[in-house]
Amino acid sequence: EAGVAQSPRYKIIEKRQSVAFWCNPISGHATLYWYQQILGQGPKLLIQFQNNGVVDDSQLPKDRFSAERLKGVDSTLKIQPAKLEDSAVYLCASSSSSLKGANEQFFGPGTRLTVL
Amino acid sequence: DAKTTQPPSMDCAEGRAANLPCNHSTISGNEYVYWYRQIHSQGPQYIIHGLKNNETNEMASLIITEDRKSSTLILPHATLRDTAVYYCIVRVVNEKLTFGTGTRLTIIP
Repeated sequence: EAGVAQSPRYKIIEKRQSVAFWCNPISGHATLYWYQQILGQGPKLLIQFQNNGVVDDSQLPKDRFSAERLKGVDSTLKIQPAKLEDSAVYLCASSSSSLKGANEQFFGPGTRLTVL
Repeated sequence: DAKTTQPPSMDCAEGRAANLPCNHSTISGNEYVYWYRQIHSQGPQYIIHGLKNNETNEMASLIITEDRKSSTLILPHATLRDTAVYYCIVRVVNEKLTFGTGTRLTIIP
């Protein structure tokens, strides 16, 4: 089966500019996650969607970050305006949300954002 | 905050078994132990998970102590492609993943 797709793979912007990342999850996966991974750290969950509804956005900096998942499939994460500390890899993941089994999350390759 | 403690780095000779320890002394009865790994420039990859019993799949074995306060991930015959950061995570099924800094495993030729 096709994996989680993300684009772009790399993005360089200047501070105060805006940027958007796109994610296409594995077909049929109801749950979609966005993570931020700063160099040298583990991924940190920013937002979790169940279909097109938000389940957890407690760690999303809502003054500058926004995310949507229209129609419960693709998702877009936006940063506006970007700050230097937003430089990181942004990972998208999806899972089938079954109550049984591993409920493993499948991750995309990530988008590496550099803010200058 | 991560609920696990892992050594920051380990080395293992190619072809030998790699044993990665994890301490989770505050684990609750309904929390599972999950292992993910992240190869350089890739997203994390699920390896294995378990509750109480030892588990084995095509990638690895998971040994959980009887008191469930620690566990060991075993890669039976490490190859260079197993060089990665390995994350041990405890969570209730369907709860969010909270990653720590993991163990950076280097397989030495």
